[in-house]
Amino acid sequence: DADVTQTPRNRITKTGKRIMLECSQTKGHDRMYWYRQDPGLGLRLIYYSFDVKDINKGEISDGYSVSRQAQAKFSLSLESAIPNQTALYFCATSDHNFNRGETDTQYFGPGTRLTVL
Amino acid sequence: AQKVTQAQTEISVVEKEDVTLDCVYETRDTTYYLFWYKQPPSGELVFLIRRNSFDEQNEISGRYSWNFQKSTSSFNFTITASQVVDSAVYFCALSIYNFNKFYFGSGTKLNVKP
Repeated sequence: DADVTQTPRNRITKTGKRIMLECSQTKGHDRMYWYRQDPGLGLRLIYYSFDVKDINKGEISDGYSVSRQAQAKFSLSLESAIPNQTALYFCATSDHNFNRGETDTQYFGPGTRLTVL
Repeated sequence: AQKVTQAQTEISVVEKEDVTLDCVYETRDTTYYLFWYKQPPSGELVFLIRRNSFDEQNEISGRYSWNFQKSTSSFNFTITASQVVDSAVYFCALSIYNFNKFYFGSGTKLNVKP
């Protein structure tokens, strides 16, 4: 089974609808992230969380909100979707446990392709 | 401020050719990590390598090799004897120690033709 999963994998919705993208991980990592990818722009950070009580804005948080329900779950919401939020969304996790030797490496989920009409 | 530049937007080679993907980074921090990720046409992001700023040893893994040079702030990636399966978008990224935010380059699309 994949270590980082995202649901749904594909979603088509209409302008103004509320959408939630979910991310779960079995890696035991404490840190989780949401990115969006647009053609030619690479990945841009939306929100990140270093533990269950911690939520931080990234570079493009406007129009998005997140919830860290548990260490293993991090969801991204679009309260009122608009067409320019059409993109590929990635969840990622990383570990800050230096003893495990892979600290700071981010591992990505398979992505959610969102289309807002 | 941190920045990663991948000046090559798209590269096309014929199978079995060697190809080097360039990555130049900017940071004033002395402790940081550099990464390469592969994004094949299926869309997932696959972790390839991580280097920390104190380790300038070049690394080789099969047909892949990485050249890290702090003097030129570069972390270049070479694929030897390229194969069609190497066709993908490759991203270079920078992370500052203990801060754990990634700064991604815009990616280089590699097309390997048979």
